[in-house]
Amino acid sequence: DIVLTQSPGTLSLSPGERATLSCRANHSVATIYFAWYQQKPGQAPRLLIYGASSRATGIPDRFSGSGSGTDFTLTISRLEPEDFAVYYCQLYGSSPLWTFGQGTKVEIK
Amino acid sequence: QVQLQESGPGLVKPSGTLSLTCAVSGGSISSSDWWTWVRQPPGKGLEWIGEIHHSGTTNYNPSLRSRVTISVDKSKNQFSLKLSSVTAADTAVYYCARINWNYYDSTGYYDYWGQGSLVTVSS
Repeated sequence: DIVLTQSPGTLSLSPGERATLSCRANHSVATIYFAWYQQKPGQAPRLLIYGASSRATGIPDRFSGSGSGTDFTLTISRLEPEDFAVYYCQLYGSSPLWTFGQGTKVEIK
Repeated sequence: QVQLQESGPGLVKPSGTLSLTCAVSGGSISSSDWWTWVRQPPGKGLEWIGEIHHSGTTNYNPSLRSRVTISVDKSKNQFSLKLSSVTAADTAVYYCARINWNYYDSTGYYDYWGQGSLVTVSS
């Protein structure tokens, strides 16, 4: 089974700072099937990045995704107040067919 | 703009069956290939439950396969989830979502989500 491990569990930063979130797979995966989502309290997840590095429609360019193989990164270049949320990575193509990481919470320091 | 809306009982008794429906508006359910259910226990992460093609083909999470049935009703533009033999561990917010497969670059992702439906398993 594929396992996605996100780190850190919690990231404490101030507005304006750079956030770097990691997602590691337990074996090499196809980048085209890798995505990132943002979830705010009481809301459904929102797609940020698909294909590991493509921004979804309407997503600001301060969000960027990178990576390949087993290591993927979501970077928020300068945190805005609305960016404090939980972020999940997601992968298609193994067992189970769709897998989520356990999430990284970005909180205000 | 596609919109999804979950509906169903918010309380289910242990050993009973959880039933939810996801109504799709703003487009035909047949215009997108795959539709999915995801759940989130209170304070925890996201778990994929299963998916259905508008033709009726399904794929399920192996951890839930023996208890899950997902079906589609194209005449009502909706798809449904049934989870049997529920326990307190099935208490969660249940989301339905659309899977967008971009056949040009083979990427796949969940682009439209319902707002979620909290289902509590309790006697």
